[in-house]
Amino acid sequence: NAGVTQTPKFRVLKTGQSMTLLCAQDMNHEYMYWYRQDPGMGLRLIHYSVGEGTTAKGEVPDGYNVSRLKKQNFLLGLESAAPSQTSVYFCASGGSRETQYFGPGTRLLVL
Amino acid sequence: DAKTTQPNSMESNEEEPVHLPCNHSTISGTDYIHWYRQLPSQGPEYVIHGLTSNVNNRMASLAIAEDRKSSTLILHRATLRDAAVYYCIRQAGGFKTIFGAGTRLFVKA
Repeated sequence: NAGVTQTPKFRVLKTGQSMTLLCAQDMNHEYMYWYRQDPGMGLRLIHYSVGEGTTAKGEVPDGYNVSRLKKQNFLLGLESAAPSQTSVYFCASGGSRETQYFGPGTRLLVL
Repeated sequence: DAKTTQPNSMESNEEEPVHLPCNHSTISGTDYIHWYRQLPSQGPEYVIHGLTSNVNNRMASLAIAEDRKSSTLILHRATLRDAAVYYCIRQAGGFKTIFGAGTRLFVKA
């Protein structure tokens, strides 16, 4: 039981490049979330999903897209990366609205 | 505003109890109070949650004020491994969990 895993662990992008971050969970959770965390700050919700095939916007959705084609996977896409998107990205999943289990994070640097 | 208010930092001695306060004065009747902690270079980790009654688990205890406008996370015996940022979160209706800056706990040996 790996819990929540994230790929890649670290990535450097140039401004304007695109990339996809992958989150996978093996706990059969319905709910999945993408957050970003900037230095010295708490986490901010980007997008979330309440089930396979559904997605919704969180607190800071601009510049990001998501897809949940399979229940166990939640993808976060950056179509045209900007330096302001330099951050640590955390994925989380939960079996209910009350508790979330987080992955180890992806560190993204946009030059 | 769904954010909670916590002290920026606290310090404790190893083996002593720690009481981490949180203010959520605008909480509504159906909002849960959650606590997560984040160790350096790791994702947040669930600690405990509650609605009205005090709660205990293997990691900590949660004491909720009778008017629910504040709560306290209690670590009964702090260890060096408990040094982390502790987030108190008001789980409002819907899924928009809002994290504040949290309390950075320092534990001295």
